[in-house]
Amino acid sequence: SQKIEQNSEALNIQEGKTATLTCNYTNYSPAYLQWYRQDPGRGPVFLLLIRENEKEKRKERLKVTFDTTLKQSLFHITASQPADSATYLCALDDTDKLIFGTGTRLQVFP
Amino acid sequence: EPEVTQTPSHQVTQMGQEVILRCVPISNHLYFYWYRQILGQKVEFLVSFYNNEISEKSEIFDDQFSVERPDGSNFTLKIRSTKLEDSAMYFCASSAVGTGAGNSPLHFGNGTRLTVT
Repeated sequence: SQKIEQNSEALNIQEGKTATLTCNYTNYSPAYLQWYRQDPGRGPVFLLLIRENEKEKRKERLKVTFDTTLKQSLFHITASQPADSATYLCALDDTDKLIFGTGTRLQVFP
Repeated sequence: EPEVTQTPSHQVTQMGQEVILRCVPISNHLYFYWYRQILGQKVEFLVSFYNNEISEKSEIFDDQFSVERPDGSNFTLKIRSTKLEDSAMYFCASSAVGTGAGNSPLHFGNGTRLTVT
């Protein structure tokens, strides 16, 4: 069956450290992968998009990698701040829709 | 920055009643979506809509659900006879191109929390 798996446990890190979140998928062949941020009671907010022929994408303190052989994407936040605390969702394209993973909650403490 | 707006923010209804959730997508977007998120669970796809017709729908989107774009700005989700298990946050989203195009972030509204009692 098709699955998109993210760490179900919350990730707790200290301010200033790099947070690394994982997204693994099975039985999909996405042309691209996206990452979103979701705050409690709010809709997801788009962060980054990476295509299957791109190994890495950066935007300010964010970096995404995409390994189609391993069927995995890693999402990094460098120099993390308490304001980065949120749930982060990965999403894959599947014909006319985007399918989301379960999300990983990140907590950055001072 | 343009945004997707949804109304109401919270809707309480009794089981068996009809509800209509409303969305105003970003004005120059062509593709529209509804997702739902049951409390503590993942964001689930319901339906995609383009050129005044449904492009794709999930198994959740059964005969009780319908979507409509009644004019040039609104996009609605109707649940004909609500069930307790329909209680969830419903998100509307829009994009400039379809998700199959490879370059299309979705822009989400902040949702309607539907509570069925």
